[in-house]
Amino acid sequence: ETGVTQTPRHLVMGMTNKKSLKCEQHLGHNAMYWYKQSAKKPLELMFVYSLEERVENNSVPSRFSPECPNSSHLFLHLHTLQPEDSALYLCASSQEARASYGYTFGSGTRLTVV
Amino acid sequence: GQQLNQSPQSMFIQEGEDVSMNCTSSSIFNTWLWYKQDPGEGPVLLIALYKAGELTSNGRLTAQFGITRKDSFLNISASIPSDVGIYFCAGQSNTGNQFYFGTGTSLTVIP
Repeated sequence: ETGVTQTPRHLVMGMTNKKSLKCEQHLGHNAMYWYKQSAKKPLELMFVYSLEERVENNSVPSRFSPECPNSSHLFLHLHTLQPEDSALYLCASSQEARASYGYTFGSGTRLTVV
Repeated sequence: GQQLNQSPQSMFIQEGEDVSMNCTSSSIFNTWLWYKQDPGEGPVLLIALYKAGELTSNGRLTAQFGITRKDSFLNISASIPSDVGIYFCAGQSNTGNQFYFGTGTSLTVIP
């Protein structure tokens, strides 16, 4: 596998469920990101990890909990979500945190909260 | 955060036509990126721009870094059906700062 891989591609969960999104990058990058993409809105940066250390948390509610066990893997743990959290969640990576040459994105997880 | 305005929001064109879209910001950026997102996929980087006035091509795509450093433009020549998708601009004020994304231009190409 190459690039950035996200699983699952689709997820439907109830408001009381706990689930996790997984991201894996095969590019040897040192930085990984979670973005939220909602219809008609710009991509919203949620979290930035550099060398497994969280370097940015963009005022994201605590019902979203990231985890970066190593530089190749990133998780987003979800619990007690709200319907407005339904969106496409994109993972991205780059050689360094916030590098100027942009990021490589995964295909995303389409999350629906019911 | 920064707000990037993309125009137009959507376009419906005939195959073979040229396409122009732009992105404007209230702030100065040092880097402009253009991404394309196919349905059901993540954004893919098309072109990166690092200098005011810079004009860069990638096949039928050409992007320009505006001289005011507050805008950028993307042109697609002789559109084909696979050009369908959403085109996003992204700007960064300095290396080490986050990228801000536009709301996207949705392109539909009619065969």
